[in-house]
Amino acid sequence: QVQLQQSGPGLVKPSQTLSLTCAISGDSVSSNSAAWNWIRQSPSRGLEWLGRTYYRSKWYNDYAVSVKSRITINPDTSKNQFSLQLNSVTPEDTAVYYCARDRRIAAAGYYYYYMDVWGKGTTVTVSS
Amino acid sequence: EIVLTQSPGTLSLSPGERATLSCRASQSVSSSYLAWYQQKPGQAPRLLIYGASSRATGIPDRFSGSGSGTDFTLTISRLEPEDFAVYYCQQYGSSSWTFGQGTKVEIK
Repeated sequence: QVQLQQSGPGLVKPSQTLSLTCAISGDSVSSNSAAWNWIRQSPSRGLEWLGRTYYRSKWYNDYAVSVKSRITINPDTSKNQFSLQLNSVTPEDTAVYYCARDRRIAAAGYYYYYMDVWGKGTTVTVSS
Repeated sequence: EIVLTQSPGTLSLSPGERATLSCRASQSVSSSYLAWYQQKPGQAPRLLIYGASSRATGIPDRFSGSGSGTDFTLTISRLEPEDFAVYYCQQYGSSSWTFGQGTKVEIK
């Protein structure tokens, strides 16, 4: 059974860097059929995908346009986990942050994409 | 970026009734890239449907999905008390994911 365990501070000061980690059990961050995502949720923005990292013979990252200049997602193969760094945060970055696995499954001549495993979420408040 | 618009915003129904939730995309979406999630307060979203119509592991058959192109539907045939929650559609495309704003199914 795949599980994702999130960790990181719940309070970050404006202009500083938000850092979260997601530890994976039951799968590998280097899996060729999974990608490892960060999503956040706030009343004003709803569910917002931030970005992901994945391995397909080499490492790739995809980032949402809205945060592309401020975000870094890194895998850590030695600890089987991945991390989120969001720079220059403002109160608008206050949200519940989730990590999640997405899968690409081939069946009946099609590729299917979905997010099937989620972390429990970390509430992050940006405030001085 | 594809925008997903869900309707209605809130659905007030009684246990045993049928729920029909809509998800409309701003441009055509591949059915195999369309998923539905259920979220209860204080919990992460849970995968219900992928590929527009395939139930995820362990999801009861009262949940069904349909649709293609720009119009997709999630149907709950007979609402159970545990089904009152918020439901989101989601699509994958151009190496990114987008979510609808959600439909809340509440007890009437």
